[in-house]
Amino acid sequence: GAGVSQTPSNKVTEKGKYVELRCDPISGHTALYWYRQSLGQGPEFLIYFQGTGAADDSGLPNDRFFAVRPEGSVSTLKIQRTERGDSAVYLCASSPNHVAAGGADTQYFGPGTRLTVL
Amino acid sequence: DAKTTQPPSMDCAEGRAANLPCNHSTISGNEYVYWYRQIHSQGPQYIIHGLKNNETNEMASLIITEDRKSSTLILPHATLRDTAVYYCIVRVEGAQKLVFGQGTRLTINP
Repeated sequence: GAGVSQTPSNKVTEKGKYVELRCDPISGHTALYWYRQSLGQGPEFLIYFQGTGAADDSGLPNDRFFAVRPEGSVSTLKIQRTERGDSAVYLCASSPNHVAAGGADTQYFGPGTRLTVL
Repeated sequence: DAKTTQPPSMDCAEGRAANLPCNHSTISGNEYVYWYRQIHSQGPQYIIHGLKNNETNEMASLIITEDRKSSTLILPHATLRDTAVYYCIVRVEGAQKLVFGQGTRLTINP
């Protein structure tokens, strides 16, 4: 079946501009996550949605970053007044969010959006 | 979540078993060991997870020491497509987010 998809795959913008990154999770997955990955580093958690609500946004670096998931499916990560330091790959993941036998459930990642701020 | 320590890089010959170590000496009783990998320009991919017992699936085997302070991911017959960064993650049962370290860059050589 279809996996997690993210659009655009690449986004180049200028410092100070506003950007939106989209994530389409696997159909039926109630949990959705955003991570950010800088060059040479592991992914870093940003925010987690359970349904429509943000259950944990502790990873958002500052108030320029905001994410929504209005209908509990597609999510949009919004970055205002972009800075060069925001350049990274933004990864989205989804999971069924049921505690299967043997631990917390598996996250399925999309290919990411590479954001470059000039 | 407990901290993990992995070697930054490893090499393995194609067709041989790749054994990737991970130390997690501060792991708690309710924390699972997860392994993900990330092939170049792709998102991370789940491989396997375990609590106490050794686990095996179609991708790999996970060996956890009796004291649970370390584990080894085994790819039994490595192929060139297994070249990737492998992340060992310790995660509390029921926790949602994954905390990634820098992982091990595994290179499979022909």
